Amino acid sequence: KAGVTQTPRYLIKTRGQQVTLSCSPISGHRSVSWYQQTPGQGLQFLFEYFSETQRNKGNFPGRFSGRQFSNSRSEMNVSTLELGDSALYLCASSSGLNNSPLHFGNGTRLTVT
Amino acid sequence: QKEVEQNSGPLSVPEGAIASLNCTYSDRGSQSFFWYRQYSGKSPELIMFIYSNGDKEDGRFTAQLNKASQYVSLLIRDSQPSDSATYLCAVENMRFGAGTRLTVKP
Repeated sequence: KAGVTQTPRYLIKTRGQQVTLSCSPISGHRSVSWYQQTPGQGLQFLFEYFSETQRNKGNFPGRFSGRQFSNSRSEMNVSTLELGDSALYLCASSSGLNNSPLHFGNGTRLTVT
Repeated sequence: QKEVEQNSGPLSVPEGAIASLNCTYSDRGSQSFFWYRQYSGKSPELIMFIYSNGDKEDGRFTAQLNKASQYVSLLIRDSQPSDSATYLCAVENMRFGAGTRLTVKP
């Protein structure tokens, strides 16, 4: 069974630009969650999508948005990039049942200059 | 007060010893608790999850949950150098601790 696939692995963007990250979950998984990981703040929850609907949301500004498609693949978009958005963005999938464990992808390393 | 608190470490134990990792959380209504291991430069991977008060054992790993005291712990028996990693405590997969870095010395 293929794992969670995130693309691209690395991105370099300029402040003010926008970026879209992609995540393909494990086959059969209906829930996709996104996280930001930085050395200073650790792992922070962005949002979770289940059956194309946002089910949970963390405390991030509206510049961070996401969506999920009918095949459970998900995209995350960050608009008007700031230097502080430089981080590792991790996607994780799960069955979607309440409290089910997460399976993480390898992440996208975003650098904003 | 942070929602999920862990000792940041580093925690160093000799090979073969028991490593004890602790985590406290603030939301008394939390229902599910997870331990993830993250090697340097890698993504987190699930070690254990626990939903009910008491102990849950899986091989060399034991998770302990005490909802009344709002803490969850992870014990690693017979620690191996390959256990050297950062261990993340997660509450309902939305609130993560900062992680405890464990080093197991041969």
